Amino acid sequence: KQEVTQIPAALSVPEGENLVLNCSFTDSAIYNLQWFRQDPGKGLTSLLLIQSSQREQTSGRLNASLDKSSGRSTLYIAASQPGDSATYLCAVADRDDKIIFGKGTRLHILP
Amino acid sequence: GAGVSQTPSNKVTEKGKYVELRCDPISGHTALYWYRQSLGQGPEFLIYFQGTGAADDSGLPNDRFFAVRPEGSVSTLKIQRTERGDSAVYLCASSLWGGTSGAQETQYFGPGTRLLVL
Repeated sequence: KQEVTQIPAALSVPEGENLVLNCSFTDSAIYNLQWFRQDPGKGLTSLLLIQSSQREQTSGRLNASLDKSSGRSTLYIAASQPGDSATYLCAVADRDDKIIFGKGTRLHILP
Repeated sequence: GAGVSQTPSNKVTEKGKYVELRCDPISGHTALYWYRQSLGQGPEFLIYFQGTGAADDSGLPNDRFFAVRPEGSVSTLKIQRTERGDSAVYLCASSLWGGTSGAQETQYFGPGTRLLVL
């Protein structure tokens, strides 16, 4: 059974710092991996989607990498801003055609 | 509106009552998904519709949970004899095609319905 783990569970950093969020998954047979953002009381917003054949995706200050063989992904946020404060969820589309989510990392950027 | 909408945004009910949660997907989206997110957890898959039919309901926790999508657009998640453990945020998402590659498409999420069972 696919399991997705995110480390750390929570993170507080000063504004302007670069940071890395980690995600690991137990079954490498995935279609893709996505990083989502969830703000309090809001739904999920897809940030980056990496297909299984890809190694990374970039969007603005965000860069996500995927190492399928080792079951790992990282989300790199450059020059963090207070507006980046949210919960970041990692999710994989598994062989059963379901999306399996991690528990998320709660990020707080200190002004 | 252009996005997925869910109503109500919040629902408080008493143990044993029946509740209905509604999801309006993006117009033209064939696939619709329901997820449940408990406090401190990631969303967990409940059921997936392809058009009017439930293509996969393997995530429904028990027979108190049921969902319909009679006309292939709006969906209703129904919970009978609610229990305190049903308290969670229920998220709906839609995607354009679904099918065998449903999880490979971008899913667009609604804001969720926060259900509290007292």
